[in-house]
Amino acid sequence: KNEVEQSPQNLTAQEGEFITINCSYSVGISALHWLQQHPGGGIVSLFMLSSGKKKHGRLIATINIQEKHSSLHITASHPRDSAVYICAVLYNNNDMRFGAGTRLTVKP
Amino acid sequence: EAEVAQSPRYKITEKSQAVAFWCDPISGHATLYWYRQILGQGPELLVQFQDESVVDDSQLPKDRFSAERLKGVDSTLKIQPAELGDSAMYLCASSLAGYSYEQYFGPGTRLTVT
Repeated sequence: KNEVEQSPQNLTAQEGEFITINCSYSVGISALHWLQQHPGGGIVSLFMLSSGKKKHGRLIATINIQEKHSSLHITASHPRDSAVYICAVLYNNNDMRFGAGTRLTVKP
Repeated sequence: EAEVAQSPRYKITEKSQAVAFWCDPISGHATLYWYRQILGQGPELLVQFQDESVVDDSQLPKDRFSAERLKGVDSTLKIQPAELGDSAMYLCASSLAGYSYEQYFGPGTRLTVT
């Protein structure tokens, strides 16, 4: 059983739409990462957070420690945002687990 | 901008053959990770190095997989013999010092075992 659950698995949106991708985990964590993986495999780290909210450009990541839940939001989505978005959590025992990813397709 | 280098980018091999992947982390990064990513799934840690020492290899199938980072810089991951189920993307990442720091990923090596 994957201890990091992401939803939805696949998401198709029209350009300009507001996107939300969710991540939930099971026990206490030290940090949570949001990663972006483009076709071809390259992975880029978007955010690392342990509380609250972070913003970078059109991307916003939030985390609710009590609810063991994080969301990644994309405002004014663009076709170049099409990628797989992966949530990874660092558990308190220094074990890192990755979600299966959310495949986002933004159509022009 | 400094990047994690991996080679080869693609590898096709027959089952029972040996295969090796190479990774050169960002200069100054003490921690190096090898991950395996099966299509449609998230990455899974195979081995983590801190300098030249193995920190975690609990998920590494040691009967056929080996990894080394002899001088604490670049690293090699080997599979011998390769099996059909080893077909996957093999990703290398590095960070300054452990999971508390941002990980930087290489482009990956896509392995196909026939």
